[in-house]
Formats: sequence, C-alpha cells, structure tokens
Amino acid sequence: KAGVTQTPRYLIKTRGQQVTLSCSPISGHRSVSWYQQTPGQGLQFLFEYFSETQRNKGNFPGRFSGRQFSNSRSEMNVSTLELGDSALYLCASSLAGSETQYFGPGTRLLVL
Amino acid sequence: QKEVEQNSGPLSVPEGAIASLNCTYSDRGSQSFFWYRQYSGKSPELIMFIYSNGDKEDGRFTAQLNKASQYVSLLIRDSQPSDSATYLCAVNRDDKIIFGKGTRLHILP
Repeated sequence: KAGVTQTPRYLIKTRGQQVTLSCSPISGHRSVSWYQQTPGQGLQFLFEYFSETQRNKGNFPGRFSGRQFSNSRSEMNVSTLELGDSALYLCASSLAGSETQYFGPGTRLLVL
Repeated sequence: QKEVEQNSGPLSVPEGAIASLNCTYSDRGSQSFFWYRQYSGKSPELIMFIYSNGDKEDGRFTAQLNKASQYVSLLIRDSQPSDSATYLCAVNRDDKIIFGKGTRLHILP
C-alpha cells in the first residue's frame, strides 16, 4: 500500500506570495492532519480534516487554511507569506477512529 | 509551562546500553501518549503509544506512563547505532496531537 505523498517536496517563495501544498493520504484513510515543523518551535499542529470537514484547528493565523476533497486528498494554503513561514510542512493520515498517524515526507518551504 | 516538555539532549548512550528518554506534560486531561522517532531529514514515525498507567513493551522498546506525575518515558534496551535519532513525545489533548520538541539520542559505537 502506498504511503502518504506530499507535493511539491521543495518550494521557494518570496514574502507576500501565497502557496498551496498538497497531501494524498494512504488509501482508505479519511483523516488528514497538517503540521508545521521548525527548529525553534518543533512540530506544531495546524489543522485536521475528516470527510471534507475541518475537525480541529491549532493556533495559527487565518493566513493558514486548508481543505479536503471527496477522495480525502487535502490541500493547505498559506497566503501573504512571511519569512517566519519557512518550515517543513508535514501531513499525516489516519484511519477513522484511530490515533495512529502516518506522516508524509513533507514539503520544505523557504520564504525569501 | 510548555504543554509537552522534553530534554533536547543530545543524550549519548553506549551501544548495547539502555537509553532512557523522558517527557512531562501539563494537561491532566490528556488520555493518549505517543513516542515518535525522527531520523535527520526524514518524517516522524510512530514507535509506541500508551493509554494506561504502567509499562507497555514492544520488542526493545518499553513505554512507561505515570498519569499522577504527568510523566511518560521511553526505554530502549540493547541500544543500536540505528537508534540514533530524535525522539518526539506527543499527547492527545482535546483531539489535537501536541508534540514536544524532541530529544536527540546518539548511540556511541
């Protein structure tokens, strides 16, 4: 069974631009969570989607948004990029009702 | 107080010895506890989860939970160089998985 995939793997943007990241969960997994990982703050929860609905949200500004499609694929959007948004963005999928999360390889975003 | 606290390390342990990794959490309502391993440049992978007080063993790994002390630990027996990684402690608080910043473990050959 294929693992969680994320595209693109690397991205360079400039301040003020916006970016969309994509995550395809493991087949059959309907829950997708997004995390931001930085050396200073560690791994921080952004939001979780289940059956196309945002089920939970972390403490990030409204510039960070996401959505989930009927095939469980999810996208995350960051608008008006700031230098501090440079990070590794990870998504993780899980089966309904399970707390076991499987992480994708991540998208490394550099904001210049 | 941070929600999930870990010593950042590095923790250096000789090959074959027991590595002991510790984690404390602030929310007494937390119900589920996880240990993830993250190799440099890779994404985290789940190695253990524990829900009840006491010990849970899986191969060379033992997770220990003490809810009264709000303390979770991970023991790695017969440490191998391949165990060198960052270990992330995580707790489920209100259906959000909150991670500690991780402890870097270095196994000395």
